[in-house]
Amino acid sequence: DTGVSQDPRHKITKRGQNVTFRCDPISEHNRLYWYRQTLGQGPEFLTYFQNEAQLEKSRLLSDRFSAERPKGSFSTLEIQRTEQGDSAMYLCASGPGLNSPLHFGNGTRLTVT
Amino acid sequence: GDSVTQMEGPVTLSEEAFLTINCTYTATGYPSLFWYVQYPGEGLQLLLKATKADDKGSNKGFEATYRKETTSFHLEKGSVQVSDSAVYFCALRNYGGATNKLIFGTGTLLAVQP
Repeated sequence: DTGVSQDPRHKITKRGQNVTFRCDPISEHNRLYWYRQTLGQGPEFLTYFQNEAQLEKSRLLSDRFSAERPKGSFSTLEIQRTEQGDSAMYLCASGPGLNSPLHFGNGTRLTVT
Repeated sequence: GDSVTQMEGPVTLSEEAFLTINCTYTATGYPSLFWYVQYPGEGLQLLLKATKADDKGSNKGFEATYRKETTSFHLEKGSVQVSDSAVYFCALRNYGGATNKLIFGTGTLLAVQP
């Protein structure tokens, strides 16, 4: 069990650029969640995958955001045409079953200049 | 919808002081309740949990009791240490839906001074 891995740890980009983050969940965890955390706030739910199926998307996830989990293993979160308001920590979490605890990665910190 | 409200910080205490961080929730059904901790530069870690009314979660000297009558899950520790300095998040998880997502409070920064 190597934990949930997120890459990169930090990303600085200019407004208008596209960025992509990657999350590698704990192996055999079929449930994967993306959250966003801004300074001074708690994590906010963005989207959820069960295996490769994206089963729920938050209203926070505008059409500039897209997430995939093509083979039910790693997941990517892409933000197109980044805005300064996208600056945040993006967290990934995974879990093995419906009622099991979630394991969080260390997050990707995005700064949009 | 479901939500969590926790006391605002920062909370500044001297070492060995008693800690209480208040947390109340609004939810339909019977959610599970959690406290997560985030140390500087690290990811969220589960600190403790309680799955039903009157359950007490405990870990590393921290305790919280699931109080359904007051919809609360206050975090307590009898004697804090400098190493407890971190941000603490109260969260709930309602198992009624297919997603079972965690819903977090805004977090409380705890600073313990030697």
